[in-house]
Formats: sequence, structure tokens, C-alpha cells
Amino acid sequence: AQSVTQLDSQVPVFEEAPVELRCNYSSSVSVYLFWYVQYPNQGLQLLLKYLSGSTLVKGINGFEAEFNKSQTSFHLRKPSVHISDTAEYFCAVSALRPGGYNKLIFGAGTRLAVHP
Amino acid sequence: DGGITQSPKYLFRKEGQNVTLSCEQNLNHDAMYWYRQDPGQGLRLIYYSQIVNDFQKGDIAEGYSVSREKKESFPLTVTSAQKNPTAFYLCATRTGVTANEKLFFGSGTQLSVL
Repeated sequence: AQSVTQLDSQVPVFEEAPVELRCNYSSSVSVYLFWYVQYPNQGLQLLLKYLSGSTLVKGINGFEAEFNKSQTSFHLRKPSVHISDTAEYFCAVSALRPGGYNKLIFGAGTRLAVHP
Repeated sequence: DGGITQSPKYLFRKEGQNVTLSCEQNLNHDAMYWYRQDPGQGLRLIYYSQIVNDFQKGDIAEGYSVSREKKESFPLTVTSAQKNPTAFYLCATRTGVTANEKLFFGSGTQLSVL
């Protein structure tokens, strides 16, 4: 079975500062990794995903994430945040399971609050 | 305008009442999903359907029911057996069921108990 742990439930940060949202996963098989963002009272939208290849993945809105297999981590980073980045961020994992249903497991979420 | 439409945006349920949440998509996606979102718990899968006339229980299916009579529609009924229904409900779709494909989400329905 797979699981996802988002290490911080809330991250406050000032505008234009860098931010890192942490995500660790556990799985006995290879996985795909995702970060989704949810703005207030809305559904989720995909920020970025890691499938294979380069461990540094770039996404929308200036976000990037780095896959670290040895540390089973997939931390999300942005060098300079804006007020508009205030939202909830979800890390998710999907196992490679040929022939079966590939369920997406979500972490509990990290609420990013950007202050002026 | 393509996408996923969830209705209503807000819904109130009286004790002992069944309520149905609507999810309609015009993306021509095969797979559809219902998630429940509670503060601090992330998203939990209620039911999913990979094809018309077929659906499977997710992790927290008790007290819920679904149908998939048309590709475009995947309504969720919250029955009176669901004792703690207050939550934000999200419908999602995916083009297929392979692990690398992203989910597309509707804007959600907030269900509250009167």
C-alpha cells in the first residue's frame, strides 16, 4: 500500500520570499507523484507531476518539485511567492500496478498563507 | 465550454433524508470519481467508475451510493445511513485509468446537515 505524508499543515510566508512544501511517501513499488493546488471553494488543479526521467520537475505558476528516491520525498518549491499563491496544496501518489486500478492517494494538504 | 459541472454548490440535508449530488462532464472521459474532503484529512475516495454501467467502492463507500448510466453523468447519493455527511464533495474525471494521467476536478459541493 502507498501513503503520503505532508509534513506541515500550515506554512505562513511573506510575499516575495521563497517557500518549500514538504512531502514524503511510502510505497513498495514504483510510483508517480503529483502536486495539486486548491484555491478557496474550488476543485483541485494539477501543478506538476513526476513520471520518470529528470528528478527536477517544473510546473505552472513558477513552481517546481524535486523527486528524491533515496529519501522518498517530493518537495514543492517556489523561489518567490505572490499573494495569489495563497491556497491549499496537496501531494499525491499513484502506484504503477499493471492491469489493476491505479488509485491516487492524497496527503492531508498544506495551507500556504502568503502575507504582504 | 468544456469541463465538469457539479451542482448544487451548497446543499443542506435534514436528518434521515437522502440527497443527491450531481456531476456532469463533457470532456468525454471514461473514468469518474467522487472524493470527500474534510479539513486536515485530504481527499478520500468514495466511489469510482471506469466505464458506463460499472462502478467500484472506494475507501469510504458506506452510506453512499452511485450510478453510471451515461458516460457524462455520475451522481452521488448521500443516504441517511451516512451519519456524518458534512463535508466538501469533489467529482473528478480522468481520460483513462493509467497511473500517470492527471485528474480533472469540478468546483465541488458543500453539504451541511441542518
